Amino acid sequence: KAGVTQTPRYLIKTRGQQVTLSCSPISGHRSVSWYQQTPGQGLQFLFEYFSETQRNKGNFPGRFSGRQFSNSRSEMNVSTLELGDSALYLCASSRGQGEESETQYFGPGTRLLVL
Amino acid sequence: GENVEQHPSTLSVQEGDSAVIKCTYSDSASNYFPWYKQELGKGPQLIIDIRSNVGEKKDQRIAVTLNKTAKHFSLHITETQPEDSAVYFCAAIDMDSNYQLIWGAGTKLIIKP
Repeated sequence: KAGVTQTPRYLIKTRGQQVTLSCSPISGHRSVSWYQQTPGQGLQFLFEYFSETQRNKGNFPGRFSGRQFSNSRSEMNVSTLELGDSALYLCASSRGQGEESETQYFGPGTRLLVL
Repeated sequence: GENVEQHPSTLSVQEGDSAVIKCTYSDSASNYFPWYKQELGKGPQLIIDIRSNVGEKKDQRIAVTLNKTAKHFSLHITETQPEDSAVYFCAAIDMDSNYQLIWGAGTKLIIKP
């Protein structure tokens, strides 16, 4: 079974631009969670989508948004990029259907550099 | 909601020795506790998990123990090897937030040759 894929793997943008990152979950998984990881930092939760609906949300400004499509693929968007948005963005998928299906599987991440 | 604390933030051990990382959680209703390993430049990978109906689980050199009364769980790595060097994250499930995983801050494990 193919794992979680993320595109692109690397991205360089300038301040003020916007960026869209993509995540394809494991087949059959309906939940996609997004995390931001800065150097030396832990996993900061952005949001989670399940069946095309945002189910959980972290404490990030409205510049960070996401969506999920009917095939469970998900995108996240960051508008008006700031230098501090430079980070590794990770997505994780799970079946998302309750206690026995919450194990998350991570993709390799998209490394974003904002200049 | 759930809160997870992880200690230590950095752990340095001699190759061949054992390493122990501990996490505490706040919500007594939590019933799922995974551990992930993140190597440099990669996404975290699940290495072992435990549910609240068992007290210990082993997989070769890795084991996890759970103390529900004290609300803490620990990762034990025996006979450490250089490839064990990585950042380790613990997590607990938040039963009030659609089973969202709440993460510890991570432990950087350094294996000294």
